[in-house]
Amino acid sequence: LAKTTQPISMDSYEGQEVNITCSHNNIATNDYITWYQQFPSQGPRFIIQGYKTKVTNEVASLFIPADRKSSTLSLPRVSLSDTAVYYCLVGLMNTGFQKLVFGTGTRLLVSP
Amino acid sequence: ETGVTQSPTHLIKTRGQQVTLRCSSQSGHNTVSWYQQALGQGPQFIFQYYREEENGRGNFPPRFSGLQFPNYSSELNVNALELDDSALYLCASSPSSERLYEQYFGPGTRLTVT
Repeated sequence: LAKTTQPISMDSYEGQEVNITCSHNNIATNDYITWYQQFPSQGPRFIIQGYKTKVTNEVASLFIPADRKSSTLSLPRVSLSDTAVYYCLVGLMNTGFQKLVFGTGTRLLVSP
Repeated sequence: ETGVTQSPTHLIKTRGQQVTLRCSSQSGHNTVSWYQQALGQGPQFIFQYYREEENGRGNFPPRFSGLQFPNYSSELNVNALELDDSALYLCASSPSSERLYEQYFGPGTRLTVT
């Protein structure tokens, strides 16, 4: 079962790029890597998903090295509204019995 | 398009009681997952249902059980409640077996066990 580790917290300023890394040393061959954003008193919100290399969408990029033992969520030009907790999730194979493991979460604080 | 909804919003139960939480998945989504999130911690995977069959399970005891109905709505049942069961219970739905990673979460049910 994959175990994931993230930095507990990060601080940034508006307009900066933020990179949050998740370590998942025993990721399985079929596991996907997904990142979520969570605001207080709300459910997590899907940001981006990847399997390997680099994925980019309108809000973020996800970098996954060849060994897939870590992944990095990149948020370009953060704003105050990006202050939230960010989680990586490993698992969600497209076949078979699912075992899903959320990371420990990274609390991002964006200041003016 | 209606998002994932959960009921009730809040619930207070006594230790030893049983509770049923409900989830309506997003329209067209056939997969539902349940998570437990204790205060200040990340969500912990309880189980997942795909087309009414259990399709995955985390490290939770058998007193945590679930159901998925033909309309893909779902229930989480917890028997013999313990104080440590106090948490936010989240339901998430996914569009298909090919897009399981794309989970859409409901607002959660806050359960307090006294």
